[in-house]
Amino acid sequence: GAVVSQHPSRVICKSGTSVKIECRSLDFQATTMFWYRQFPKQSLMLMATSNEGSKATYEQGVEKDKFLINHASLTLSTLTVTSAHPEDSSFYICSAPAGTYEQYFGPGTRLTVT
Amino acid sequence: AQSVTQPDIHITVSEGASLELRCNYSYGATPYLFWYVQSPGQGLQLLLKYFSGDTLVQGIKGFEAEFKRSQSSFNLRKPSVHWSDAAEYFCAVGEKGGSEKLVFGKGTKLTVNP
Repeated sequence: GAVVSQHPSRVICKSGTSVKIECRSLDFQATTMFWYRQFPKQSLMLMATSNEGSKATYEQGVEKDKFLINHASLTLSTLTVTSAHPEDSSFYICSAPAGTYEQYFGPGTRLTVT
Repeated sequence: AQSVTQPDIHITVSEGASLELRCNYSYGATPYLFWYVQSPGQGLQLLLKYFSGDTLVQGIKGFEAEFKRSQSSFNLRKPSVHWSDAAEYFCAVGEKGGSEKLVFGKGTKLTVNP
């Protein structure tokens, strides 16, 4: 099946710094990718839809300037958490559609802001 | 708006016992329905999906689910649980004819006792 990777798997950063998370589709092209955030013991919340060659579409309540998304190629989308704060600590998961409404999920990135 | 309800936050079963995880959805038409499994600190793996046709769908790892339109339900079942099935299970709904976004339930944590 289709494979989606994320890098890094874990990152610890200091408050006020920025951190970039990569999401790659390894064996297929994805014009769209999705970014989710998962709080402990809770469900996945869609943050934004990443569109190759155009601006990302953000869900209501998600700060565009804080969570910068760039979909630079058909296999790579990046999420940059800018000026990170402890409340941004979370598990971030990306996914890419591969087939009718099927999505393949990356393994996730655990972000801890100290 | 679509919504997914998983009434059981946490279920504990003994190894070898049968399992049923409940999922109810709210949607105006027939949605696409999915069950995903997430092991601790990992991404999501698709167990099975329903798009149309036979309302009883078979998935991986011996799981099956039945779509019941009259009850707006898509419950996940397994006749005999293995210790390795301990994980978090998420039901999700996709929108036919719309975007490829998925809406997730809050998940059910499965604990398997030896």
